[in-house]
Amino acid sequence: IQLTQSPSSLSAFVGDRVTITCRASQSIGISLAWYQQDPGKAPKLLVYSASSVQTGVPSRFSGAGAGTDFTLTISRLQPEDFASYYCQQFHRYPLTFGQGTRLEI
Amino acid sequence: VQLLESGGNVVQPGESLTLSCVASGFPFSSYAMTWVRQAPGKGLEWVASVSNSGDNIQYSDSARGRFTISRDNSKNTLFLHMTSLRLEDSATFHCAKTMFPYSGAPPTLDSWGQGSLVIVS
Repeated sequence: IQLTQSPSSLSAFVGDRVTITCRASQSIGISLAWYQQDPGKAPKLLVYSASSVQTGVPSRFSGAGAGTDFTLTISRLQPEDFASYYCQQFHRYPLTFGQGTRLEI
Repeated sequence: VQLLESGGNVVQPGESLTLSCVASGFPFSSYAMTWVRQAPGKGLEWVASVSNSGDNIQYSDSARGRFTISRDNSKNTLFLHMTSLRLEDSATFHCAKTMFPYSGAPPTLDSWGQGSLVIVS
């Protein structure tokens, strides 16, 4: 199952609302997760099952979608949100990730 | 939860290497575990997953036949034994914990280690 993220990179300002899209090559139900990764750091789980926000993740992060089209929205960008973001499907093996979206100031 | 990888090194093409991941802060024997790698400047790539008991294993096409994932639940340790290493295997290898215990389904990964760097050159 291929996952295509868009955009590949995105420039925004602190306080902006941004949305990242992930499209699956076939229906995966809600078997999608989103991760955030700072350079040189381990990925961090943000959202699982398409729209469930992981414990401890700020409420400005939200996920939506089902089937083949999914979104991650950050409602009011904070300085610590400038990082790379990846979607991942867990509908079936092999696990696959999107190619990533780099969010820049 | 803490996951600490080790064993990364600089090796020549064709050589072998074993990575370890020591886990703490959760009941290791209850959770499936996964290796994910990331080539320098590139995205995340799933490598292999092993069930909590070790009897159900899945590999990516690039890992199958060359890499072996295993675990020692008595030592809270996950392993990745890699053989016939290629230039394109150069990456940081992360171990990651499955979100739900006793799950045999493809995983969501809720905790990750910082990674161990493998350079094939």
